[in-house]
Amino acid sequence: EVQLVESGGGLVKPGGSLRLSCAVSAFTFSTYSMNWVRQAPGKGLEWVSSIGSISTYTYYADSVKGRFTISRDNAKNSLYLQMNSLRAEDTAVYYCARGRFGGIFYFDYWGQGILVSVSS
Amino acid sequence: DIQMTQSPSSLSASVGDRVTITCRASQGISNYVAWYQQKPGKVPKFLIYDASTLQSGVPSRFSGSGSGTDFTLTISSLQPEDVATYYCQKYNSAPFTFGPGTTVDFK
Repeated sequence: EVQLVESGGGLVKPGGSLRLSCAVSAFTFSTYSMNWVRQAPGKGLEWVSSIGSISTYTYYADSVKGRFTISRDNAKNSLYLQMNSLRAEDTAVYYCARGRFGGIFYFDYWGQGILVSVSS
Repeated sequence: DIQMTQSPSSLSASVGDRVTITCRASQGISNYVAWYQQKPGKVPKFLIYDASTLQSGVPSRFSGSGSGTDFTLTISSLQPEDVATYYCQKYNSAPFTFGPGTTVDFK
């Protein structure tokens, strides 16, 4: 069974940093694009960032560009999101989501999500 | 950037009703639209890709259609377990934007 498990969330002060991780299992990680999607409390889904299967390309929402960095380690079956200069509006549940091979970015499997709270 | 809108933002229907949700892109995106269902307090579930292809395991009462700028998600006979918020998403190119969502509940 495909599994994605996020970790690394928590409470951080404005201007602070956090690194989210997503450990995956039961599929060949290195052949799929991977993604982060977030959902602020009571709000809709917001795409955050995507990365190709061998990190050839990365994409970011304008709201996080220059502050967040997506990366992956195919040897460790893991996806990461380094979040710097965090703002209150970054408060959300962050989901790791699997894309498809061939650079197709719809999301067929999702993790349970991890809460990031940015507050002083 | 291409914007995605959905209508209505919410709707109330009865068990057995046919429900249609519309998603509109501000520019043509061929058939690069996916649909997701999110039940209250749950993780989003992937329903449809390429505008009309049902993901394996999704009940056949769900269907999608459209191309270009206008897309629809239809539930042919609403069931109690279909109470949820539904999101469309474009994936022709980045940003891979979601629509604002349509909440479906019962009258």
